[in-house]
Amino acid sequence: AQSVTQLGSHVSVSEGALVLLRCNYSSSVPPYLFWYVQYPNQGLQLLLKYTSAATLVKGINGFEAEFKKSETSFHLTKPSAHMSDAAEYFCAVSAPSSKLSFGAGTTVTVRA
Amino acid sequence: EAQVTQNPRYLITVTGKKLTVTCSQNMNHEYMSWYRQDPGLGLRQIYYSMNVEVTDKGDVPEGYKVSRKEKRNFPLILESPSPNQTSLYFCASSLSGGRGSYEQYFGPGTRLTVT
Repeated sequence: AQSVTQLGSHVSVSEGALVLLRCNYSSSVPPYLFWYVQYPNQGLQLLLKYTSAATLVKGINGFEAEFKKSETSFHLTKPSAHMSDAAEYFCAVSAPSSKLSFGAGTTVTVRA
Repeated sequence: EAQVTQNPRYLITVTGKKLTVTCSQNMNHEYMSWYRQDPGLGLRQIYYSMNVEVTDKGDVPEGYKVSRKEKRNFPLILESPSPNQTSLYFCASSLSGGRGSYEQYFGPGTRLTVT
């Protein structure tokens, strides 16, 4: 079975500062890893995914994530936060024979 | 436009009054799923469907029913809603069987309040 743990339910950053959202996974087989974003009053949309190709994955809106097998991590970063990045972010894991499992989510607040 | 639609977006009802939340996708996806989102718990799967007439329980199926008579539609039925079913509900669809590297596409959500 696969699972993910997101460290920190709330993150507050200043506009222009680095955004770092932490995700650690547990998987008995090579995982597929995802980051989804949920803007206020909207459904989830895919930011990026790792599928065993490049370990550094670039997504939409300037976000990227790095797969580190030794640390079982898939942290999400953005060099410079924008007000429009205020949202809830979910890390998720699946495998070829396992369904998608979500973390508890991290809410990002951006201060002007 | 490729999308998943849900109706209604907001619903306030009373305990025991049967309700249905509709879900429809226009991407010809075989896999569809219902999730509920609660603070601090992330998304938990209620039911899913691998194809027409094939449905199965997710992690939290108690108190819910589903049906999949057509490929594009996957309604969620609460036969006798209770206050602990107050939540934000999402329908999703995917090309694959909800596994592997395929992205899931989500509807806009239905906020249900049961009093």
